[in-house]
Amino acid sequence: AQSVTQLDSQVPVFEEAPVELRCNYSSSVSVYLFWYVQYPNQGLQLLLKYLSGSTLVKGINGFEAEFNKSQTSFHLRKPSVHISDTAEYFCAVSDMYGGSQGNLIFGKGTKLSVKP
Amino acid sequence: ETGVTQTPRHLVMGMTNKKSLKCEQHLGHNAMYWYKQSAKKPLELMFVYSLEERVENNSVPSRFSPECPNSSHLFLHLHTLQPEDSALYLCASSSPRGPGMNTEAFFGQGTRLTVV
Repeated sequence: AQSVTQLDSQVPVFEEAPVELRCNYSSSVSVYLFWYVQYPNQGLQLLLKYLSGSTLVKGINGFEAEFNKSQTSFHLRKPSVHISDTAEYFCAVSDMYGGSQGNLIFGKGTKLSVKP
Repeated sequence: ETGVTQTPRHLVMGMTNKKSLKCEQHLGHNAMYWYKQSAKKPLELMFVYSLEERVENNSVPSRFSPECPNSSHLFLHLHTLQPEDSALYLCASSSPRGPGMNTEAFFGQGTRLTVV
């Protein structure tokens, strides 16, 4: 079974500052990793994913994440945030071998609040 | 627009009512999911349908009843709900699973359900 821990429930930051949203996971098998974003009153939208290859993954809206297998982490970063990045961000894992039919296991989410 | 459409977007129902949530996707996916998103709790997987067969039921109360008549449509039938069932219900779809074939899930915008 897999689990995901997002250490920060809320992250306030000023516009144009850098931000890092932390995600750690646990799993007995290899996993795929995802970050989703949810804007108010919307569903979830994929930001980026790690399946294999380079551990640094670039996504939409200037976000990137780095897979660190030894630390079982997949932290999300952006060098300069905008007001429009205010949203809730979810880290998720999926069993690479399809043992759970590809079900995504989500963290509790981190609310990013960008202030002017 | 993710290609997954949910209706209605908002629903208020009494505890004795019967209603249904609808989800539709035309992405060529044949796995569909219902998730429940409550305040202060992680996204909870409720039901998974793969190739129109239900493959997982995470001990969801019987007052929630899913139906998947074909690979493009998914319903969640609701009856005699409780106030604690008030939440955002999200539908998602994904491609068939298999080694190396994992893809991300695409989410609808959700139905905001309020039980009074």
